[in-house]
Amino acid sequence: AQKVTQAQTEISVVEKEDVTLDCVYETRDTTYYLFWYKQPPSGELVFLIRRNSFDEQNEISGRYSWNFQKSTSSFNFTITASQVVDSAVYFCALSEGSGGGADGLTFGKGTHLIIQP
Amino acid sequence: EAQVTQNPRYLITVTGKKLTVTCSQNMNHEYMSWYRQDPGLGLRQIYYSMNVEVTDKGDVPEGYKVSRKEKRNFPLILESPSPNQTSLYFCASSLSRLTYEQYFGPGTRLTVT
Repeated sequence: AQKVTQAQTEISVVEKEDVTLDCVYETRDTTYYLFWYKQPPSGELVFLIRRNSFDEQNEISGRYSWNFQKSTSSFNFTITASQVVDSAVYFCALSEGSGGGADGLTFGKGTHLIIQP
Repeated sequence: EAQVTQNPRYLITVTGKKLTVTCSQNMNHEYMSWYRQDPGLGLRQIYYSMNVEVTDKGDVPEGYKVSRKEKRNFPLILESPSPNQTSLYFCASSLSRLTYEQYFGPGTRLTVT
């Protein structure tokens, strides 16, 4: 069965520090998709990135970067020079290629990121 | 504007009083689903629909019903709500069940007393 683990329940850093959010996944499929979503205090879920299992290239988008490593089943998310507006709960999620069991995204429990001014 | 809408956004009700949370998307997406979010548990899928008249259970379907009579709408029905269904509910849609991002509605905060 698929599983996503976000071991960091809460992280608090001071503004301008770099911070990495960890995500470890489990799946038996060779084809799968990994996602990160942001949930700001207002409550909506904001899509950040999608990565398929065949593309291990790291990605950078502004201050955000993602490190996908199949060897360690990890898909970590780094925010460089954090800002107060980055404060949110961040969810890592997995979708399997075969669709066995519940047919949708399996979410981690989320990491609450607090950026202090 | 591409969006998923949910109504109501907030609802307080009493045990046993049937309620429906509506969900509508304007992107012609085939795949729609419902999730509930609870503290410490993340988001868990309740039901999903691959297309019109095609629905199936997710991880936590007990106490819920859904229907998909039109492509754009996917209402969530609680026939006899109980306090353990107090939660934040999200509707989502996507082009396909696996490969594309899911667009989420704004959420419905339900309290059952």
